[in-house]
Amino acid sequence: ELKVEQNPLFLSMQEGKNYTIYCNYSTTSDRLYWYRQDPGKSLESLFVLLSNGAVKQEGRLMASLDTKARLSTLHITAAVHDLSATYFCAVDASKTSYDKVIFGPGTSLSVIP
Amino acid sequence: NAGVTQTPKFQVLKTGQSMTLQCAQDMNHNSMYWYRQDPGMGLRLIYYSASEGTTDKGEVPNGYNVSRLNKREFSLRLESAAPSQTSVYFCASRGLPGQSSYNEQFFGPGTRLTVL
Repeated sequence: ELKVEQNPLFLSMQEGKNYTIYCNYSTTSDRLYWYRQDPGKSLESLFVLLSNGAVKQEGRLMASLDTKARLSTLHITAAVHDLSATYFCAVDASKTSYDKVIFGPGTSLSVIP
Repeated sequence: NAGVTQTPKFQVLKTGQSMTLQCAQDMNHNSMYWYRQDPGMGLRLIYYSASEGTTDKGEVPNGYNVSRLNKREFSLRLESAAPSQTSVYFCASRGLPGQSSYNEQFFGPGTRLTVL
């Protein structure tokens, strides 16, 4: 059964600093998603990573995927307060269970001045 | 396009009552999903439907039933609500493999359910 882990679960960082969120998963997959959620809101798609070595960047966020290590990272560069939110990775388990998508527990990010 | 819509937005139930959460999408997507979100546990998959007429169990299906009424609609039913089902419920959809809409799940606004 597919398990998805994220760490850290909580992250408090100062504005201007860099940090990385990690997403590990337990079974074969070549498709991984990152989402953002603001308090009380629905989920907003950030990135989809479709193959080993894929790298996507948008503003201060960069995501990468290593399918051999079953690891994805979300790197934050020079954090600003507007990035405060909860970030989820989600793994497509279609290689073993057609069309199933499983989420990690989320990383709650707080950027402080 | 409205995207993914969910009704109701809020609901309070008493233990043992039943209710149906409704979800509809107007993007002609094949796949639809129901998740629940609890603090610290992320989104957990309850049931999903890869196409009209098919449904499959997710991670936490106990206490729920689903119906894929047609391509647009996917409902979630609680037959006898329990306090442990207090949660925020999200519906999502996505397109077919090979379509650009397969590359992300589109989420509804959520239903906040409290079971007393």
